[in-house]
Amino acid sequence: AQSVSQHNHHVILSEAASLELGCNYSYGGTVNLFWYVQYPGQHLQLLLKYFSGDPLVKGIKGFEAEFIKSKFSFNLRKPSVQWSDTAEYFCAVSRNAGNMLTFGGGTRLMVKP
Amino acid sequence: DADVTQTPRNRITKTGKRIMLECSQTKGHDRMYWYRQDPGLGLQLIYYSFDVKDINKGEISDGYSVSRQAQAKFSLSLESAIPNQTALYFCATSDSNPHEQFFGPGTRLTVL
Repeated sequence: AQSVSQHNHHVILSEAASLELGCNYSYGGTVNLFWYVQYPGQHLQLLLKYFSGDPLVKGIKGFEAEFIKSKFSFNLRKPSVQWSDTAEYFCAVSRNAGNMLTFGGGTRLMVKP
Repeated sequence: DADVTQTPRNRITKTGKRIMLECSQTKGHDRMYWYRQDPGLGLQLIYYSFDVKDINKGEISDGYSVSRQAQAKFSLSLESAIPNQTALYFCATSDSNPHEQFFGPGTRLTVL
């Protein structure tokens, strides 16, 4: 079965620090990759997605992610975090047409002002 | 106005009670989903529906049932609630392509 691993469960950073959240998946075929964010008390919102093409994807709010096929990874990055980035971040993967999203366990990010 | 709405937003109930959670969407999407979120486990798919006459089990369907009353409505039922069904429940919708899902605000369910 396909699985998605987010190895960092909790991350604490100071404002202006750089961020990298890891995401690895187990499926070896063609995949679609997503990062969702859940701000405190809110629903999930899409940060960015990768379907094909340039493996470096830019999303909203200064976030980007790089798809490295050989490493089965889709890590999320931001050069300089803000207090407002405090949230839970979920990586998700789907396979080809008709397949469902499989979510990682999430990473809780706390940014200290 | 919200595109995906869920009612109720919060519910506390007792073991053995029947509970229905409702989801409505104005996005015109064919596909709808129900997930539960537990700390450290991310979101797990309970049921999904690709159109009004289509119902499919997800990863954790035991103890749950669903009804797709119309394209815009997808309800989740717990026939006899138990404490380990205490969780945050999300409804989501998507078009058939490109698989991006849009989430509702969630329902926090507590079973005592």
